Amino acid sequence: SQQGEEDPQALSIQEGENATMNCSYKTSINNLQWYRQNSGRGLVHLILIRSNEREKHSGRLRVTLDTSKKSSSLLITASRAADTASYFCATDGGFTSGTYKYIFGTGTRLKVLA
Amino acid sequence: KAGVTQTPRYLIKTRGQQVTLSCSPISGHRSVSWYQQTPGQGLQFLFEYFSETQRNKGNFPGRFSGRQFSNSRSEMNVSTLELGDSALYLCASRYGQGYEQYFGPGTRLTVT
Repeated sequence: SQQGEEDPQALSIQEGENATMNCSYKTSINNLQWYRQNSGRGLVHLILIRSNEREKHSGRLRVTLDTSKKSSSLLITASRAADTASYFCATDGGFTSGTYKYIFGTGTRLKVLA
Repeated sequence: KAGVTQTPRYLIKTRGQQVTLSCSPISGHRSVSWYQQTPGQGLQFLFEYFSETQRNKGNFPGRFSGRQFSNSRSEMNVSTLELGDSALYLCASRYGQGYEQYFGPGTRLTVT
């Protein structure tokens, strides 16, 4: 599996429900970021969580980071139809052996049904 | 603050041609990165420029090149286009390493 692999690949929920997406990665990181992308457009930055942080909130979003398990989760509470999009995690691994690592995951396609 | 802008938004080219894409970062951001997004390969890192220097490069052939100007604007060039180069090319800027990236709307390149 590749660095920054999201789970599930696709998720369909009813409006008002919570949506949880998970991201696993392989190497050490400086921070992890979550992005949203609507239908083939540019990505919108949601949250950045640093490696020394365990949880972060932003509005209806809650992100957790477990560096021992090399995993992160994004929780969207009280989902709305407008939350329908693809969600990506990206790991910022800094420089390793002279190479800078910034890797996106495969994404979770979220569909919120009205 | 104005966001990241990319031009053109859509482009159709013929195999063998070359193309130049442009990206203007958010004011004050000195780092510009380029990504290629395709349905099959997902989002892949092309390269990053910081203060006019290429800081890192992804695993793409030499046909893909870029540069950054003193005002932090960046261009990406793809020479000898192949059908597989059809993709959404995204540019992102950030203040520096460790900061969040802000993406432009992308340039949709179609190679026929």
